[in-house]
Amino acid sequence: GENVGLHLPTLSVQEGDNSIINCAYSNSASDYFIWYKQESGKGPQFIIDIRSNMDKRQGQRVTVLLNKTVKHLSLQIAATQPGDSAVYFCAEISTGTASKLTFGTGTRLQVTL
Amino acid sequence: GAVVSQHPSWVICKSGTSVKIECRSLDFQATTMFWYRQFPKQSLMLMATSNEGSKATYEQGVEKDKFLINHASLTLSTLTVTSAHPEDSSFYICSARTGGSWDTDTQYFGPGTRLTVL
Repeated sequence: GENVGLHLPTLSVQEGDNSIINCAYSNSASDYFIWYKQESGKGPQFIIDIRSNMDKRQGQRVTVLLNKTVKHLSLQIAATQPGDSAVYFCAEISTGTASKLTFGTGTRLQVTL
Repeated sequence: GAVVSQHPSWVICKSGTSVKIECRSLDFQATTMFWYRQFPKQSLMLMATSNEGSKATYEQGVEKDKFLINHASLTLSTLTVTSAHPEDSSFYICSARTGGSWDTDTQYFGPGTRLTVL
């Protein structure tokens, strides 16, 4: 089946630095992408989303970039804080195929002091 | 934002017994609910999709007779793990969707239920 995968399983970042978490997807029909944050023992928490007709979207301290040419998605976190430590998942939806959310493999972000 | 709750948050049971997990949308009506399973250090894998008042649609490889899903109302879906075995131990997460086409905030996730089968 289609995969949504990540390049780096673990990312260690110093507090205050910027973080970049990457995601590759293989389903060219995907038209909607979401980044989730999951803390230990909790459910996924929505961070930011982007549609395929956009290549960049900004939120509070977070930016998502979409490169459809190479099927690549990234999440940038500015001024990373200890509270940002978690596992981050990208997820994709192909709205033409029963709208099922497919999660990538996840990246653990570790923020060091 | 919308809230989805799960009960219990954790459960320990003996092998061979059945366990029921509830998923509730607290402040909205969910036409569709989803059940995911997550093993340690792995991603969420969709198990099944349930629509209120109809049979659930299971993903390939998920045994419908083992994982019984009931979506009797617009605010409640239940997942029953029948004759549980240690390999069923996992983190089960539900999500609820308000309906219509996919949009920014229409799918909300519950806090998860940790199942441990001894």
